[in-house]
This record gives sequence, structure tokens and C-alpha cells, in this order.
Amino acid sequence: DIQMTQSPSSLSASVGDRVIITCRASQSIIDYVNWHQQKPGKAPKLLIYAASNLQSGVPSRFSGSGSGTDFTLTISSLQPEDFATYYCQQSYNIPRTFGQGTKVEIK
Amino acid sequence: EVQLVESGGGLVQPGGSLRLSCADSGLTFSTYSMTWVRQAPGKGLEWVSYISPSSSLMYYADSVKGRFTISRDNAKNSLYLQMNSLGAEDTAVYYCARENRPSNRMDVWGQGTTVTVSS
Repeated sequence: DIQMTQSPSSLSASVGDRVIITCRASQSIIDYVNWHQQKPGKAPKLLIYAASNLQSGVPSRFSGSGSGTDFTLTISSLQPEDFATYYCQQSYNIPRTFGQGTKVEIK
Repeated sequence: EVQLVESGGGLVQPGGSLRLSCADSGLTFSTYSMTWVRQAPGKGLEWVSYISPSSSLMYYADSVKGRFTISRDNAKNSLYLQMNSLGAEDTAVYYCARENRPSNRMDVWGQGTTVTVSS
């Protein structure tokens, strides 16, 4: 199984901050990585697919990059509605696997 | 807009069974692969099972293999998860999600249904 390792597991940031979350795959997954946002009590929501493609309706302050084994999710200017948990997920093969999540909290 | 609605969750005793359903309001259900993902209380997301559009391919996480069965009825735009021999470790919110090609992205998620296994 492909392991997805996210860092950090949590972070505190202020509105307007630039936030970077990283995800490392245990083997090359080319660009088959997706990023999901989850707010408490809600279903996950797809933000970025295929490493760098913005899902329709997602604000442009979210961006993704990387290939092979190392990937990043960047929030260019953190907004109040962005405080949530973020998960990377590989769709290269089955079983699909998720990172352990990064909780973004208010500083 | 496509919407997925899960149902069938509830409280069940250890060793019991439940059948979850996921209804798709769209017109293209039969063209998409579907997955089940679960989230135990306070934990992260765990992939559970996958089914291809024609049901020709089905896969399971090791943690549920032999106990859970995924199926779909394209005529009814519905996805199912039959869960048998349930244990406390299966307590979770269960989400269905659509996989969209070519990146296999889970782009539409249901709201989730809660399964609690307890005596």
C-alpha cells in the first residue's frame, strides 16, 4: 500500500497568512494526488486534483504543486472560512490512501 | 448538480449487520466508479471499498475484506455497502464518493451516515 505522510499534523496561523502543507508518498504516484478540506461535522470537499488542478468553485488562493513523491498545498492568504482539516489522498492505485490530516487552527 | 445521499446507518450490536445505501440524484451514475470512505470518531479518513461503473471490479480494504460487500444498481442510481460481522472498530461515519476520471478524483461526496457498533 502507498503511504501518504503529511506535515505538519497541525498548525496555528492568522488570517492573511500564507500556509503550506506538505505530503510525501512512499513511492512515485506521478501526479495522482488530490487535496480535500473537511470542516467539523461536514463531509470532505475536493480542493485540488491531479496535484495542481483547482476544482471548480474553489477559490484561487488555494493551489497545489509537486510530482513523483512530494506535493504541497498552499493557501496564499488564509481566510476565516479556511480553518479546517486538510487531507492529501493518492488515486494512483488501490487501496486509495489518505494522509493523516493537517488541522489548521486560528492563532 | 449531482448530489449523493447516504442512508441506512444506525446502532447495531457487535456481530450484527447493516446495509448502507447511497442515492445519486444525477443522470450519469452508471458512468462513474464509486467508493466508500469512513471516518472513526476523532480520526482521519479511511478508504473502505471501490466499485467500477459496470460492477466488474470491486476492491476492499484489508480491514473489511470478507465482511463487507459493495454493490450498485445503475437502474436505481444507487450504491450499497452490506456490512456483516460488525465490530466496535467499524464505528464511524461512512461517506460515499464519486470517482471522476482521468485523475480518479473523489469530486462529489455524500453527507455521511453514522454507524455505531455497541451493545
